[in-house]
Amino acid sequence: NAGVTQTPKFRILKIGQSMTLQCAQDMNHNYMYWYRQDPGMGLKLIYYSVGAGITDKGEVPNGYNVSRSTTEDFPLRLELAAPSQTSVYFCASSPIPWEGNTEAFFGQGTRLTVV
Amino acid sequence: KQEVTQIPAALSVPEGENLVLNCSFTDSAIYNLQWFRQDPGKGLTSLLLIQSSQREQTSGRLNASLDKSSGRSTLYIAASQPGDSATYLCAVNRPKGSGYALNFGKGTSLLVTP
Repeated sequence: NAGVTQTPKFRILKIGQSMTLQCAQDMNHNYMYWYRQDPGMGLKLIYYSVGAGITDKGEVPNGYNVSRSTTEDFPLRLELAAPSQTSVYFCASSPIPWEGNTEAFFGQGTRLTVV
Repeated sequence: KQEVTQIPAALSVPEGENLVLNCSFTDSAIYNLQWFRQDPGKGLTSLLLIQSSQREQTSGRLNASLDKSSGRSTLYIAASQPGDSATYLCAVNRPKGSGYALNFGKGTSLLVTP
């Protein structure tokens, strides 16, 4: 199993550009998440999804959009990139919490710099 | 609002010491608590998961405890090794909107010196 796969690993964007961060999981997990990690600030939840077709905002959703058309994929879209979006982005997945082992698995991250 | 705090923020110990990392959370309505390890520039690796009904979990030299009523968890590392040097993150899985999501602390940066 590949687990949670994120692409790209690194990206530099210019202010105002757009891009999509890709995330795919092969564990048939219902739950998927996007977090951002800034130095010394811990991980903040951007968006999450409890299943295909269902998404919801986290703590810091402004400037981002998501979609969940399949169980496996959960792309994160940045529109009009701003320097404040410079961060490391992590995608994660987990089973439904009440279905036994609810361990969350994380991808290796995408390091994004907006200049 | 759920707040997760980790103390200390940084810790340096000589090899072989036993050590304790602390995590506290403000809302006891959690489903589980998970400890992660993060190496510099890398993703998060799950170390231990404790369900809300459990008191502790053990894996090798690691032992995590949970006292949900007081909002506390500890991660005990026995006989520390230089390879244990990393940032350790605590996260609580709590109700969020239509489902659940993890709330993270800021982490404890651990350095084990030879």
